[in-house]
Amino acid sequence: EPEVTQTPSHQVTQMGQEVILRCVPISNHLYFYWYRQILGQKVEFLVSFYNNEISEKSEIFDDQFSVERPDGSNFTLKIRSTKLEDSAMYFCASSYQGGVYNEQFFGPGTRLTVL
Amino acid sequence: GNSVTQMEGPVTLSEEAFLTINCTYTATGYPSLFWYVQYPGEGLQLLLKATKADDKGSNKGFEATYRKETTSFHLEKGSVQVSDSAVYFCALMIAGGSNYKLTFGKGTLLTVNP
Repeated sequence: EPEVTQTPSHQVTQMGQEVILRCVPISNHLYFYWYRQILGQKVEFLVSFYNNEISEKSEIFDDQFSVERPDGSNFTLKIRSTKLEDSAMYFCASSYQGGVYNEQFFGPGTRLTVL
Repeated sequence: GNSVTQMEGPVTLSEEAFLTINCTYTATGYPSLFWYVQYPGEGLQLLLKATKADDKGSNKGFEATYRKETTSFHLEKGSVQVSDSAVYFCALMIAGGSNYKLTFGKGTLLTVNP
C-alpha cells in the first residue's frame, strides 16, 4: 500500500542552524502539507502546497520557513535559522485532491530537537 | 477561529471494555469532522469521518456521530482490543473554498491492557 515517508526520523540541531526535513508523498498525489506538534500541544497546520506554490500558510509559517518540491518525488520543509521553540514533531501529508472528501495521508513524522 | 478540544489522556482500559473519547469543536463555518489514529512508529491514519450533522462515521468497530446541537463528535467502541492502543486525534476541516487544512485536538493516548 502506498505510504508517505519522512526522513530523518529524528534530527538534532543547534540553535541558529538550518535544517531540511524531507518527505516523499504518495506518487499520484497533488496536494502536500506540513503540520507540527510541539510536545503536549495540538497538531498545528503549517502550510499547504499545490501546483508548485503555497496555497495556504499559517501564522507560524514565517520567513524562517520555506517549502519546496525540488523534483517529482520529494517535498521539503526548510527552517532557515532554528529556534528552541521549533522543537517539535513535524508531519508531512499528501492528498490526491483537496477538500473533505480526499483523505490526507500522513507520514510517521520527524522529531526535531533544537539545542 | 476554529478549534477542537479532546478529553485529556492518557486513557487506560482493560480488553473488552467500552471506550469513549470526548471531542467538541468550535467552528466559524460548516465543518466536516474526523478521527485520526496514530499507532506507535506510524503516521496519522484516517479512522472515520462525518461531513454533515447527524451523520455517523464508523470503521473497525469505532463510531462517532456528528452532533451539531452539542458541537460534539465523541469516539466510541463497544469492546476495545489490545491492538487499539494508539493515540487518537479529533479534527475538523471547513468545507468549501480552497482551505484544506485540518484543525486538530491534542490527541488522546489509549492503552488497552490484556
